[in-house]
Amino acid sequence: ETGVTQSPTHLIKTRGQQVTLRCSSQSGHNTVSWYQQALGQGPQFIFQYYREEENGRGNFPPRFSGLQFPNYSSELNVNALELDDSALYLCASSRDREAEKLFFGSGTQLSVL
Amino acid sequence: AQSVSQHNHHVILSEAASLELGCNYSYGGTVNLFWYVQYPGQHLQLLLKYFSGDPLVKGIKGFEAEFIKSKFSFNLRKPSVQWSDTAEYFCAVNQRNTGKLIFGQGTTLQVKP
Repeated sequence: ETGVTQSPTHLIKTRGQQVTLRCSSQSGHNTVSWYQQALGQGPQFIFQYYREEENGRGNFPPRFSGLQFPNYSSELNVNALELDDSALYLCASSRDREAEKLFFGSGTQLSVL
Repeated sequence: AQSVSQHNHHVILSEAASLELGCNYSYGGTVNLFWYVQYPGQHLQLLLKYFSGDPLVKGIKGFEAEFIKSKFSFNLRKPSVQWSDTAEYFCAVNQRNTGKLIFGQGTTLQVKP
């Protein structure tokens, strides 16, 4: 167990809907990163939040947005869902923006129909 | 742009066979290198990492990897695989002092008992 929990574990949405995924980071970690893992692919960096502010973003459109709360938990929001958004969404927490010591959650499997 | 390439998408071995998974990255600066493993139904776990120093790094469960700077490679090896090594393996790189990990597309390893 990594101490990083994500909810829900599975989710089914239809095209055009909006979705919110949640992540609770490991105790003592102030940084949360989100990754999208499409079937048969490696995880792709969406963005990172450090002390409630976005600290780096990958090649994802603005309809992917996030929040980090004072307790360092985080949300990933996706608006206007598209079929290609179907993927496993991974949250990873770390201390002080370090990518060297990431602890991953088990992910949320999102299916867009 | 940075990228990571894993040469083998699907590898099938018998128990006790030796394993080598190839990984090449493209980036001219200073990087940290990682191998992650994802066992069926589990979260991503760090196998080993290279930051600096001895280019031959040892990780958990008997895995090792060698960083060859001139070849931009970081290949994963294990002298004798076990059935329990069946999993997906991801090579990743991050530019030092950034929070973003770039993953390869992954290699599925199937070990036959």
